[in-house]
Amino acid sequence: KAGVTQTPRYLIKTRGQQVTLSCSPISGHRSVSWYQQTPGQGLQFLFEYFSETQRNKGNFPGRFSGRQFSNSRSEMNVSTLELGDSALYLCASRNPGSSYEQYFGPGTRLTVT
Amino acid sequence: GESVGLHLPTLSVQEGDNSIINCAYSNSASDYFIWYKQESGKGPQFIIDIRSNMDKRQGQRVTVLLNKTVKHLSLQIAATQPGDSAVYFCAEKGGNQFYFGTGTSLTVIP
Repeated sequence: KAGVTQTPRYLIKTRGQQVTLSCSPISGHRSVSWYQQTPGQGLQFLFEYFSETQRNKGNFPGRFSGRQFSNSRSEMNVSTLELGDSALYLCASRNPGSSYEQYFGPGTRLTVT
Repeated sequence: GESVGLHLPTLSVQEGDNSIINCAYSNSASDYFIWYKQESGKGPQFIIDIRSNMDKRQGQRVTVLLNKTVKHLSLQIAATQPGDSAVYFCAEKGGNQFYFGTGTSLTVIP
């Protein structure tokens, strides 16, 4: 079974720009969560999508948004990028009907200059 | 909100020794905990989990201990190997989301 895939793996953007990151969950997993990982803050929860609906949201500004498609693939968007948005963005999928265990993708490394 | 802390940011152990990584959590209502391993350039990988109605759970070479009285979680790795070198995170489930610690970097000395 293929794992969680994220594209692109690396991205360099300029302040003020926007970016869209993509995540393809493990086949059959209908829940996708997004996390931001930085050296100082560790992993911080952004949001979770299930059946195309946002189910939970962390404490991030409205510049961070996401969506989920009918095939469970998910995208997250960050608008008006700031230097502090530089981080590793991780996507995790799970099958809510079976367990809380999440499977993480390799992440997208975003650098804002 | 919850805070999940780790007692030591780095840990070095000799190959073959046992490793113990500690984690403190703040929400006594958390009912589920996970340990993750993250190798350089990769996403976190599930190691073992434990529910709050348990004190101990064992996996292959790993044991998780949960002390709800002091809100403490530990991960024990038996016979540590070079491939165990990574950053280890604990995570607690509070409500509908997970809260992660910042991680402990484990280095195994050959």
